[in-house]
Amino acid sequence: GAVVSQHPSWVICKSGTSVKIECRSLDFQATTMFWYRQFPKQSLMLMATSNEGSKATYEQGVEKDKFLINHASLTLSTLTVTSAHPEDSSFYICSASVRGSVGGELFFGEGSRLTVL
Amino acid sequence: GIQVEQSPPDLILQEGANSTLRCNFSDSVNNLQWFHQNPWGQLINLFYIPSGTKQNGRLSATTVATERYSLLYISSSQTTDSGVYFCAAKRGSNYKLTFGKGTLLTVNP
Repeated sequence: GAVVSQHPSWVICKSGTSVKIECRSLDFQATTMFWYRQFPKQSLMLMATSNEGSKATYEQGVEKDKFLINHASLTLSTLTVTSAHPEDSSFYICSASVRGSVGGELFFGEGSRLTVL
Repeated sequence: GIQVEQSPPDLILQEGANSTLRCNFSDSVNNLQWFHQNPWGQLINLFYIPSGTKQNGRLSATTVATERYSLLYISSSQTTDSGVYFCAAKRGSNYKLTFGKGTLLTVNP
């Protein structure tokens, strides 16, 4: 199957700093990537849809100025959590579908666990 | 948007037992996926199955699209099968993949 890689897997930062998480499709091109957030013992919630070369589409209630998404190439999307606060601590997971796939089967990265002190 | 409901929410098995997990969805779909989330959080793709039946080793899945449900079968369960199993569905290419709340499976030795 297609491989999606995220980096870093774990990150701890101080309140007020910014953190960047990278999501890469390793063996395929991904026109669209998706960013999810997961709180402990809960399901995944879509935060935003990232399209290569255009602005991301954010879900209702997600602050676009806090969660900056850039999709600069067909294999890389980044999520930057700006001015992080403890309530931003969470598990962030990206996913991508193979360019041109009909049903859009999604493949997920390993996830990035953010802890804001 | 589409609603995805999974049952049961929790399931405890003895090693070697079989189990069936269910996923109901509220609308027609062109994408239905089953995932296993391991203890480290990674989502492992189990099946992409908008319709029909597929098998992979001890796991199999069936989606009856006309009746809007999918089943995941786990046979001869092992302790390594423990974790959360998610079902996710999407109505079409311009829609988002919506996750159910998951089934927490615990397989005891």
